[in-house]
Amino acid sequence: SQQGEEDPQALSIQEGENATMNCSYKTSINNLQWYRQNSGRGLVHLILIRSNEREKHSGRLRVTLDTSKKSSSLLITASRAADTASYFCATDSDYKLSFGAGTTVTVRA
Amino acid sequence: GAGVSQSPSNKVTEKGKDVELRCDPISGHTALYWYRQSLGQGLEFLIYFQGNSAPDKSGLPSDRFSAERTGGSVSTLTIQRTQQEDSAVYLCASSLLTYEQYFGPGTRLTVT
Repeated sequence: SQQGEEDPQALSIQEGENATMNCSYKTSINNLQWYRQNSGRGLVHLILIRSNEREKHSGRLRVTLDTSKKSSSLLITASRAADTASYFCATDSDYKLSFGAGTTVTVRA
Repeated sequence: GAGVSQSPSNKVTEKGKDVELRCDPISGHTALYWYRQSLGQGLEFLIYFQGNSAPDKSGLPSDRFSAERTGGSVSTLTIQRTQQEDSAVYLCASSLLTYEQYFGPGTRLTVT
């Protein structure tokens, strides 16, 4: 069964705007990861945040983690057309990752 | 360096036939995962290999599905007597321990 759930399911924004998506999960975790998927094929790892971290940055990406609420958010700043993709959160509670259904982001030029 | 590779990239098969999907992980990665993704859905965990330990097969949907990993490297996912509901993209990933997973491009399986 899926551990994480992303919200919203889909997001459409104008190039240059920020995109925010959220992930909620059910059980305690060791870390939480965000992945991007283009064109329904392989996933690319974006960022990992550990359970004892609250915020992490990587380029235009900002991830927050609130373990008390069992939720995480991914912010993409100054979006570009190339950011159009599906974004998945994945929780690591043991030795395997559990993925949510993803948020589909469309960046309009 | 080489990433995770999968073959074939696309496979069309008739219902009832057996198929084999191959995954070549990144050299040195001890962990290997198989996932299935149906159209517009998230990833469904199928099976996990870690070193020489017994694999975690808890995600395999039926006994028609099996996988092996030879020599701690290449893995083959076998689906026997394929059904139309087996149609999906099958993704393989490898990692060092349980951290960042590196995904292959996937095999798109279509059962007609």
